[in-house]
Amino acid sequence: GAGVSQSPSNKVTEKGKDVELRCDPISGHTALYWYRQSLGQGLEFLIYFQGNSAPDKSGLPSDRFSAERTGGSVSTLTIQRTQQEDSAVYLCASSPWGGSTDTQYFGPGTRLTVL
Amino acid sequence: KQEVTQIPAALSVPEGENLVLNCSFTDSAIYNLQWFRQDPGKGLTSLLLIQSSQREQTSGRLNASLDKSSGRSTLYIAASQPGDSATYLCAVRPNDYKLSFGAGTTVTVRA
Repeated sequence: GAGVSQSPSNKVTEKGKDVELRCDPISGHTALYWYRQSLGQGLEFLIYFQGNSAPDKSGLPSDRFSAERTGGSVSTLTIQRTQQEDSAVYLCASSPWGGSTDTQYFGPGTRLTVL
Repeated sequence: KQEVTQIPAALSVPEGENLVLNCSFTDSAIYNLQWFRQDPGKGLTSLLLIQSSQREQTSGRLNASLDKSSGRSTLYIAASQPGDSATYLCAVRPNDYKLSFGAGTTVTVRA
């Protein structure tokens, strides 16, 4: 079946602009995760959605970052007033139920470049 | 805070040689450990997931071991092929859902 999809695959923006990144998880997966992979750094957790529960936003680096998940499916990560340090690959993952035995399935990522 | 380290950072071997990739983590209170492969410009592909109660997992030419008490995992790739060239990431899952990743080992298999 279809995997996790993300759009756009690449995004170039100017400093100070807002951007929206989209993630379509695998159908039926209740858990959705956003991670960020910066140049020279490992992946870092940003936010987690599980069903109708309140999301865990503990990994968001600043209040310029926000995310929502509509209808328990598609998620949008929004970055307001982008800064150059926001340049990174943003990866979305989904898993069946978020449990300890779950495998997280990753999308191809969105490469964000802030000029 | 969980720290995950992968050694070496890069590895180049001739085709046919076995690969040994190392991962260490500082907090042994984990649910599982997962090995991923990342190709340039692509997302992550899960290779093997080892639960904390397991010692190893095997899939084809891949074998991963886990020694939770010492905070170590090793990924073995037998009889390497040029198609194995990629970055391999190790990730541990502590007592929640947030994976902690190492920086990865970039492997080049020379034909």
